[in-house]
Amino acid sequence: GAGVSQSPSNKVTEKGKDVELRCDPISGHTALYWYRQRLGQGLEFLIYFQGNSAPDKSGLPSDRFSAERTGESVSTLTIQRTQQEDSAVYLCASSSGPAPGDLYFGPGTRLLVL
Amino acid sequence: GENVEQHPSTLSVQEGDSAVIKCTYSDSASNYFPWYKQELGKGPQLIIDIRSNVGEKKDQRIAVTLNKTAKHFSLHITETQPEDSAVYFCAASISHTGNQFYFGTGTSLTVIP
Repeated sequence: GAGVSQSPSNKVTEKGKDVELRCDPISGHTALYWYRQRLGQGLEFLIYFQGNSAPDKSGLPSDRFSAERTGESVSTLTIQRTQQEDSAVYLCASSSGPAPGDLYFGPGTRLLVL
Repeated sequence: GENVEQHPSTLSVQEGDSAVIKCTYSDSASNYFPWYKQELGKGPQLIIDIRSNVGEKKDQRIAVTLNKTAKHFSLHITETQPEDSAVYFCAASISHTGNQFYFGTGTSLTVIP
């Protein structure tokens, strides 16, 4: 079956512009995560959605970052007024949740802020 | 919160040798420990996991061990092959905090033919 998909695969933007990243989780997966991965570094937790519960936003680095999820489907991560330090790969993952279980990652969106 | 440390950051082995990657965690409440393999340009993929009620798990050439007392767990790859070359991440999860995963910083494994 289809895995987690993300779009766009690559995004180049100018400093100060807003960007929107999209994630389509595996159908039926109630949990959805966003992570940031800077070049050569580990995965930094950003936000977690579980069903209709309030999202865990504790990893969002600033108020320029926000994310939404419609029900148990698509999620969008929005970065406003992008800065060069926002350049990274943004990974989305989903799982059947909420108990600990397999995380299925998408291929990521590579964001470059000039 | 949970803190996961991973060593080494880079590892080179000859084809056919074994590779070992070690992780430690800080929160004794962590009860699920997955390992992910990330190939260049791709998202991480789960390769093996272990839960806190067992000490060891094997899947062909890959094994993971868990020492709850010392709060460390390790990935063992035997008979390494060039296709094992990738970045490997360990993670720890505490289910009661909403299933958040805490990742190590990654180990870049190179298997030399």
